[in-house]
Amino acid sequence: DARVTQTPRHKVTEMGQEVTMRCQPILGHNTVFWYRQTMMQGLELLAYFRNRAPLDDSGMPKDRFSAEMPDATLATLKIQPSEPRDSAVYFCASGLSNRDTQYFGPGTRLTVL
Amino acid sequence: SQQGEEDPQALSIQEGENATMNCSYKTSINNLQWYRQNSGRGLVHLILIRSNEREKHSGRLRVTLDTSKKSSSLLITASRAADTASYFCATGWSGSGNTPLVFGKGTRLSVIA
Repeated sequence: DARVTQTPRHKVTEMGQEVTMRCQPILGHNTVFWYRQTMMQGLELLAYFRNRAPLDDSGMPKDRFSAEMPDATLATLKIQPSEPRDSAVYFCASGLSNRDTQYFGPGTRLTVL
Repeated sequence: SQQGEEDPQALSIQEGENATMNCSYKTSINNLQWYRQNSGRGLVHLILIRSNEREKHSGRLRVTLDTSKKSSSLLITASRAADTASYFCATGWSGSGNTPLVFGKGTRLSVIA
């Protein structure tokens, strides 16, 4: 049963620390999305990739967030330095470019103290 | 900003009853999707309806789309306790291919056994 996997599932860190979240998309999927979910803002897009190339990262605070796909099986989202307002659940989703359905991972729950 | 807005924000029903959730959106769409999120989990795709469709069924789910009113509804028939979750409507960015989704704030459904 193919699934999107995300690590870590939970992360508690202190303000100013670097945070790295990882995502393994479903094998063969060529489109990867990063979303963030908070109570106040709901689900928002941070960035997305197609065939490993970034297509849009306008949802990310550029000074502290970065997203990459080192290879087709790994997507990373880094926050440096982290701030308390970054506390949220970060979801990775993957899909095929010729289909509209997205498959979500279980999320990384980040708490920045 | 949120594209879709679900109504009601919360819904509580007895097992066996039908649950109806509504969604309104603001711009032209290619398709509209509904996702379910169980507490502490990722989102699961339920059903997609294209802009040229008016109604679609999948098991106990029925989705309608009225593009003239920019609205959609999700009906869950014969609800079960396991249907307890948050339900989100989502619309994709314009353009072809699998594009980022814009989500509403969701409807929290509680099905009481």
